[in-house]
Amino acid sequence: NAGVTQTPKFRVLKTGQSMTLLCAQDMNHEYMYWYRQDPGMGLRLIHYSVGEGTTAKGEVPDGYNVSRLKKQNFLLGLESAAPSQTSVYFCASSPVSGGGPGAGTQYFGPGTRLLVL
Amino acid sequence: SQKIEQNSEALNIQEGKTATLTCNYTNYSPAYLQWYRQDPGRGPVFLLLIRENEKEKRKERLKVTFDTTLKQSLFHITASQPADSATYLCALPPNTGTASKLTFGTGTRLQVTL
Repeated sequence: NAGVTQTPKFRVLKTGQSMTLLCAQDMNHEYMYWYRQDPGMGLRLIHYSVGEGTTAKGEVPDGYNVSRLKKQNFLLGLESAAPSQTSVYFCASSPVSGGGPGAGTQYFGPGTRLLVL
Repeated sequence: SQKIEQNSEALNIQEGKTATLTCNYTNYSPAYLQWYRQDPGRGPVFLLLIRENEKEKRKERLKVTFDTTLKQSLFHITASQPADSATYLCALPPNTGTASKLTFGTGTRLQVTL
């Protein structure tokens, strides 16, 4: 199993450009998440999904859109990139645990480093 | 508001010693608490989960305690090794809503030297 994979690994954008980050998981997890990680700020939740066809806003959703058309994929879009969106983006997935031993455990991808000039 | 605090200063310890990292939280009533490890340039990796009714959890050289009265978790690595050098994050679920949505602390960087 590949686990959680992210594409691309690194990207440079100019202000105003758009792009889509792709996250894929092969663990049949219901929940998927997009985070950004900045120095001193820790991981902040952008958007998440509790199942195919559903999305919800996290802590810092402005400037981002997401889609979950297939259970295994979760896409993060930047419609008009800004320098403030320079960050490392992590995707994660989690099974529905029902309070069992793995309750809420998240599995992370390797990250996408985005630089917006 | 809900807050998770981890020491932002790096913890430097000598190989073989026990490292102790702290996670404090406010305005949470968590059913459990998790610890993750993050290496530079990589995503976090789950280490341990401890539930509110558990005082202590062990896994090999790792030990986690959870004091819901003090609102604190301690993460111990015994007989530490240079390979244990990484950033360690604690994470809590929300008080209500989606149980699998976690809030992460900013992490504490551990440096184990020879």
